[in-house]
Amino acid sequence: GDSVTQMEGPVTLSEEAFLTINCTYTATGYPSLFWYVQYPGEGLQLLLKATKADDKGSNKGFEATYRKETTSFHLEKGSVQVSDSAVYFCALTTGFQKLVFGTGTRLLVSP
Amino acid sequence: DAGVIQSPRHEVTEMGQEVTLRCKPISGHNSLFWYRQTMMRGLELLIYFNNNVPIDDSGMPEDRFSAKMPNASFSTLKIQPSEPRDSAVYFCASSVGTGIDTQYFGPGTRLTVL
Repeated sequence: GDSVTQMEGPVTLSEEAFLTINCTYTATGYPSLFWYVQYPGEGLQLLLKATKADDKGSNKGFEATYRKETTSFHLEKGSVQVSDSAVYFCALTTGFQKLVFGTGTRLLVSP
Repeated sequence: DAGVIQSPRHEVTEMGQEVTLRCKPISGHNSLFWYRQTMMRGLELLIYFNNNVPIDDSGMPEDRFSAKMPNASFSTLKIQPSEPRDSAVYFCASSVGTGIDTQYFGPGTRLTVL
């Protein structure tokens, strides 16, 4: 079945550091890929998405590129802020509305 | 514009009791999803509806769980009888239609079964 694998957390960074959170996937079809973010005590929010190979999703300084050859969708940000501290979920769907989530990666950013 | 509304936000109950979680999707959205989040299993899709009709309930853990969507603006997830292992955060989400539309999540209901 379809699945998403994320790097284990927590990821601990100082403010203004570079962020990478790795995500790889397995899918039988041609999935669309997503990053969702969950702030403490809240539901998930869509951060960015990409629907086909080589697409780059971007939002709030975060970027991720859909790499079909490596089945990856790594999340990056050039300079993190304390307010970016949250749990980040990579997810996929093959178009039948069922989102398959990774286990989530907690990011902690210190001043 | 109101987002997805869930109630209650917190529920504490005793084993064996019936629990009902409620969700109001975003107006105009045709699809509704129920998820469960636990430390052990992460985020799991329990069931989803399209145009008020259940499309896939393969994630519902067992017969103790049931979900209904009587109209486009309301859905319930019921657990009867509840067990301690049902303790989790339950999220409702909605989207405009089918395919790859963005799902908008509610704030969740934290359920504790003693």
